[in-house]
Amino acid sequence: KAGVTQTPRYLIKTRGQQVTLSCSPISGHRSVSWYQQTPGQGLQFLFEYFSETQRNKGNFPGRFSGRQFSNSRSEMNVSTLELGDSALYLCASSQYRGQLDTEAFFGQGTRLTVV
Amino acid sequence: GDSVTQMEGPVTLSEEACLTINCTYTATGYPSLFWYVQYPGEGLQLLLKATKADDKGSNKGFEATYRKETTSFHLEKGSVQVSDSAVYFCALRYNAGNMLTFGGGTRLMVKP
Repeated sequence: KAGVTQTPRYLIKTRGQQVTLSCSPISGHRSVSWYQQTPGQGLQFLFEYFSETQRNKGNFPGRFSGRQFSNSRSEMNVSTLELGDSALYLCASSQYRGQLDTEAFFGQGTRLTVV
Repeated sequence: GDSVTQMEGPVTLSEEACLTINCTYTATGYPSLFWYVQYPGEGLQLLLKATKADDKGSNKGFEATYRKETTSFHLEKGSVQVSDSAVYFCALRYNAGNMLTFGGGTRLMVKP
């Protein structure tokens, strides 16, 4: 069974640009969540989608947005990039079973560098 | 709000030494607890989990027990290997939803 796939793996963008990252969950998983990992702030929750609806949202500015498609694939977008947005962005998926989410499985991440 | 606190690293051990990485949490409800491991250049891999008080999670020689009375979930291994060198993250999550709250991570370095 294929794992969580994130594309691209590496990205370099210029300050002020926007970027879109993609995440394909494990087959059958309907929940996708996104995290930002930086040396200073550690791992921080961005948002979570389930069946195309945002279920939870972290404490990030509105420049960070996401969506989920009917096949459970998810994208996150960051507009007006700032140097501080340089980070590893991780996506995780989980299966919803009996009103509970199973454990989260993570992708390898997208390393975003803003210059 | 909820939070997870881990001991700061790096933790440097010789091969075959015993490992303990402390993790304590603050939660308003009854979360599930997890340990994830991150190898260089990789995402996070689930190491073990416990879903209720007194549960013991175990995997690959690692163990952790969900202690509600001390709000702790310490990671232990009796004999570490060089291949265990990685960053370890303690995390909590409520069962409905997939929003994980992570500790700051503890880097483990095992020397031959």
